Amino acid sequence: QKEVEQDPGPLSVPEGAIVSLNCTYSNSAFQYFMWYRQYSRKGPELLMYTYSSGNKEDGRFTAQVDKSSKYISLFIRDSQPSDSATYLCAMTRTKGDTGRRALTFGSGTRLQVQP
Amino acid sequence: DTGVSQNPRHKITKRGQNVTFRCDPISEHNRLYWYRQTLGQGPEFLTYFQNEAQLEKSRLLSDRFSAERPKGSFSTLEIQRTEQGDSAMYLCASSPTRGQGTGEAFFGQGTRLTVV
Repeated sequence: QKEVEQDPGPLSVPEGAIVSLNCTYSNSAFQYFMWYRQYSRKGPELLMYTYSSGNKEDGRFTAQVDKSSKYISLFIRDSQPSDSATYLCAMTRTKGDTGRRALTFGSGTRLQVQP
Repeated sequence: DTGVSQNPRHKITKRGQNVTFRCDPISEHNRLYWYRQTLGQGPEFLTYFQNEAQLEKSRLLSDRFSAERPKGSFSTLEIQRTEQGDSAMYLCASSPTRGQGTGEAFFGQGTRLTVV
């Protein structure tokens, strides 16, 4: 079983819809949570970064973390065709003094926003 | 351009050849990471540097792989005796020092390796 599970999609929605993307994780040591957007054949682009449980909003994007359920979400309001991409969740934990910084990623959800 | 820069963007090589990739991180970032991504998967961690010190290596990093960051600035990733299974996107990322718990990382555009 993977440490981070993410539905691969594809998820197809009409323009203007609210999109909900989710990840579950198994390791309670994960403390920091990120969402990345990746266009085809490009590197991942950081969208949201959160530490604690609760919500964080940035423009049309809202990241939600529920550590008790080991569940994180990304909501996209008023979705646009330019939002069509693969969305990757990622998380880190700390380990010892050096602090393990490596990100553990989900496999990504492909989103298509239809005009 | 102040982002993470990777070169080359694409590399096609014959099986058994050696290849080297370069990463230039964001200038004020002292942490640098290498990841590998195959089609339909998320990036997988390979190795991590803090300044010039290589602090962590994944078990994915076989003896054929070596990474360096000699002066704590740019980094190179070398793959010796390439195999077809090495075909992937190799991603470099950097992050700033910000207390003990940051994982925030910024990625380059990647080097796509094809081994034929």
